Amino acid sequence: GQQLNQSPQSMFIQEGEDVSMNCTSSSIFNTWLWYKQDPGEGPVLLIALYKAGELTSNGRLTAQFGITRKDSFLNISASIPSDVGIYFCAGIRNSGYALNFGKGTSLLVTP
Amino acid sequence: GAGVSQSPSNKVTEKGKDVELRCDPISGHTALYWYRQSLGQGLEFLIYFQGNSAPDKSGLPSDRFSAERTGGSVSTLTIQRTQQEDSAVYFCASSRSGTGRTDEQYFGPGTRLTVT
Repeated sequence: GQQLNQSPQSMFIQEGEDVSMNCTSSSIFNTWLWYKQDPGEGPVLLIALYKAGELTSNGRLTAQFGITRKDSFLNISASIPSDVGIYFCAGIRNSGYALNFGKGTSLLVTP
Repeated sequence: GAGVSQSPSNKVTEKGKDVELRCDPISGHTALYWYRQSLGQGLEFLIYFQGNSAPDKSGLPSDRFSAERTGGSVSTLTIQRTQQEDSAVYFCASSRSGTGRTDEQYFGPGTRLTVT
């Protein structure tokens, strides 16, 4: 499957800081999603984006679907220790269903 | 309600042995998916079920991998003659219909497979 390029690979920040991560692809996706994975668990959906240019928030999280449909970013504001985990972007192609995942961004937050 | 469950949670097997991984999807979900995650990687799509049929097996890495789904519910992923490169965490996900862009996939906790 199409591998998405996700950056940064890891982030180590202090509580209260804002975080930004992004995902790019050489192919167009019609749906972009952001997941969080805690150790020993499956990914949990944070935000889903269905339209180019769409900006969607979920609490302290904000994500945007790039205009070119080849990229997306996720921002986390005022980070807290429970934000620790691995964040994955995923894309779905037109009329598809299979999720194509990035390699993840590992986030560590110190109190 | 109950989420997606998978068993076993961990499986250690010797190279060359066959293994079966089980998935119980969310009740009423017609679509079921298998993914695997190698160390430090994102999840990789393996196979998709709509009801009992598998219209998309394109992600299965070799003919040693097979999957079935019975009664539109439980699914089993079988790996024959396991190899060390099969070591990974295998995730199952289910969704309500498998169609439509807003059909959210819910993931199970995964089965960690280690081939020695």
